[in-house]
Amino acid sequence: TQLLEQSPQFLSIQEGENLTVYCNSSSVFSSLQWYRQEPGEGPVLLVTVVTGGEVKKLKRLTFQFGDARKDSSLHITAAQPGDTGLYLCAGARNNDMRFGAGTRLTVKP
Amino acid sequence: ETGVTQSPTHLIKTRGQQVTLRCSSQSGHNTVSWYQQALGQGPQFIFQYYREEENGRGNFPPRFSGLQFPNYSSELNVNALELDDSALYLCASSLMGRVRQETQYFGPGTRLLVL
Repeated sequence: TQLLEQSPQFLSIQEGENLTVYCNSSSVFSSLQWYRQEPGEGPVLLVTVVTGGEVKKLKRLTFQFGDARKDSSLHITAAQPGDTGLYLCAGARNNDMRFGAGTRLTVKP
Repeated sequence: ETGVTQSPTHLIKTRGQQVTLRCSSQSGHNTVSWYQQALGQGPQFIFQYYREEENGRGNFPPRFSGLQFPNYSSELNVNALELDDSALYLCASSLMGRVRQETQYFGPGTRLLVL
């Protein structure tokens, strides 16, 4: 079982729509990261959040870390086909990183 | 690009064989972590090496072993390959600081197919 639960598992939307994906856990993490992964490639880091309640914005992407540092969300405004990919959250605990199973996003033109 | 390289990019082996995967870490990084990512899943932590010693291990059997060299590059060795070992193997490099490990940067992965 995954330590981090991501939802939804799959999401297919039209270009221009907004969406939110979630990453939840019963464990506390010292930091949480969001990655995007293309097929056959390694995950690419989007953002790291460290402080409970922290909100970070990266263009149309808004990331939030829960107050208790157990969960996070990623909100995308006006999604574009280029946003298509697998979005992974990962929590850092001690000396390892635990990943969720990911949300596979498809944005149709 | 993250500066983390892995070789080979693809590999086909048969059950029972042994395989060695290689990773060169990003300049300035002293820590390498290895992950196994099965199709449709998130990466699963195998182990981490810091200063040439294993510094944490996930739920993988002893036939998964590793090395880190003085230049911080690393190898992942898998003995007695099984069909379920077919996956994308990712390495990630990072800088281990005094307080915590800094952000990990991933290589492109090695896709292993076991027949």
